[in-house]
Formats: sequence, C-alpha cells, structure tokens
Amino acid sequence: QSALTQPASVSGSPGQSITISCTGTGSDVGSYNLVSWYQQYSGKAPKLMIYEVSKRPSGVSDRFSGSKSGNTASLTISGLQAEDEADYYCCSYTVLGWVFGGGTKVTVL
Amino acid sequence: QVQLVESGGGLVKPGGSLRLSCEASGFTFSNYYLNWIRQAPGKGLEWVSYISSSGTTISYADSVRGRFTISRDNAKNSLYLQMNSLRVEDTAVYYCARDRSNNFDYWGQGTLVTVSS
Repeated sequence: QSALTQPASVSGSPGQSITISCTGTGSDVGSYNLVSWYQQYSGKAPKLMIYEVSKRPSGVSDRFSGSKSGNTASLTISGLQAEDEADYYCCSYTVLGWVFGGGTKVTVL
Repeated sequence: QVQLVESGGGLVKPGGSLRLSCEASGFTFSNYYLNWIRQAPGKGLEWVSYISSSGTTISYADSVRGRFTISRDNAKNSLYLQMNSLRVEDTAVYYCARDRSNNFDYWGQGTLVTVSS
C-alpha cells in the first residue's frame, strides 16, 4: 500500500488555474474510478472536494474539477482565490482498502 | 446535522494500549461503512481501517494489522479502535470518517494519540 505521488507544493496567483497531479498504479488509480480529493486547512479535519474522479459534493465550488488519465488523477482549481490556500490530498480505492497521496500545499501568491 | 466526535486519545508508552471511540449523530449509523484515518504531526493522511455497516467486513492497513482492532456498536451509534502494542510511529491525530459510497464525506475533529516513553 504505497502512497500515491503528489507534488509537495503548487502555487499560483489569484485568478489563475492550477492543477495538482496524483500518480498511482494499475492497482489503485488505474483500476478504479474511485479517486477522491480532500482539502485540509491547518489544524482542521479534511473536507471532501471531489469524489469518483470528477463529481462535486453539494456546496463545493464549481471552480474545483477532477479528471483521470491512466494511473494519474488530477485536481484543477480555476479562478484561484486566497481561501483556496490549503493542503490537498488525493485518495484511491484499492482492493486492500484505501491509499492517500502525500499531500500538496497550495499557495496563493 | 451529521456529527462525528472522537475521544480516548492521550499519552501512552511504547507497547501500551489505548481504545478510541467515535460517537455519531445526525444520520442512520447502521447504514454506513466507517473508517479510521490518521495523520502524524506535520505529515499526510494515512488510512488505518474500515468496517462495514453490519460489522462483518473489516480491513486494515499493513502498518496496523495484527495490532489494531476496529469494531462498532450500532445500538450505541459508536465506532471503536482498540490499539495494542503501540509504537512511537503510531503517534498521530486519529479521525473517524463516514464512507458515503467509496468516499469520506464527513470527518470528526480528531483525537491525538501520543506514543512516547
């Protein structure tokens, strides 16, 4: 159950778009459309932002979108805002349970 | 509204035991899979274990298998994690999280477990 690979940090200016990648293997991301993304502010519990690769829960801004190609999933934040500065984690189902990515710190310049 | 409230964390010596609890409200507890997910200080999220709605299906991460036991009491709307043979590397905030069809839609606030001599 090796962690999914995410960039440690991504930054962008307000209004720009950024994309966070999440690379797994054929045993997790590549095999199931069960990739989810979580936003976490420091000291707080994570919040579900995207599920089943590209679906948004009610109440999540449509500036957040998800996609997947092969063993790599991606989270795109469009129209970056100051409030988007947080840590983001991807997560994939595997036959043995769940695996998270190492997390990406998003900085709004 | 959905609420998950963890308790039972604290300071324990290596080799010791601790039992975490997660009390749920605001939804039909017995209809949902539940998970324990942890986060070491300054580190990322790590899935620990899940239990099915009836308690008959259980899975553990390799890092805790054989030492931790997940259970639930649907009559008490409660989830548990019995942690034995604790190691320094088990130090983390432990979250319980509801599984809404293969994603974690609600999380508790977490409870801190510190394993240190």
